[in-house]
Amino acid sequence: GAVVSQHPSRVICKSGTSVKIECRSLDFQATTMFWYRQFPKKSLMLMATSNEGSKATYEQGVEKDKFLINHASLTLSTLTVTSAHPEDSSFYICSATTSWSTDTQYFGPGTRLTVL
Amino acid sequence: AQKITQTQPGMFVQEKEAVTLDCTYDTSDQSYGLFWYKQPSSGEMIFLIYQGSYDEQNATEGRYSLNFQKARKSANLVISASQLGDSAMYFCAMRDPNQAGTALIFGKGTTLSVSS
Repeated sequence: GAVVSQHPSRVICKSGTSVKIECRSLDFQATTMFWYRQFPKKSLMLMATSNEGSKATYEQGVEKDKFLINHASLTLSTLTVTSAHPEDSSFYICSATTSWSTDTQYFGPGTRLTVL
Repeated sequence: AQKITQTQPGMFVQEKEAVTLDCTYDTSDQSYGLFWYKQPSSGEMIFLIYQGSYDEQNATEGRYSLNFQKARKSANLVISASQLGDSAMYFCAMRDPNQAGTALIFGKGTTLSVSS
């Protein structure tokens, strides 16, 4: 089956620093990737939709300048949390779809970000 | 706009018993797909079952079955013969299966606890 990886799985950083999270589709080309954010015991909230080679589409209320998304290739999307603050601490999950399986989303294992 | 409602924050069941997790949805689309995902404490999203809006039969996958009642707009998940490993958070989700570029919309989730 299609596999999506995320790196790192856990990251702890100081307030004010930037953190980059990678999402890779290992054995398929991901036409679209999605970034979700999840607080403890809460639902997944869509942050942005990313298509290869084009600018990401952000959901209402998500700061574009704070959460930079780059989808440079069909197998890699990155989320950079700029000038992170403690309130950015969360679980970030990416997912990917392919052109040949539109009804399936393949999820990465998630990245737990803790900002001190 | 599409919406998923899960009204049970937590459910408790004993091993070997069956349990039903409720999910209702709201959409004006005629074509849509309904999903159930399991999220254990590790955070990974595990796909369980899928039901298309035009599928005439209820979906089944091993111990999981989806009780799809289109007129009521409900898509309840039934887990038969519960196991301790079923303890996790469960999310109902929906998307348009004909649009690869659209993300899943999730409900708030139900935490299932299975006891021996």
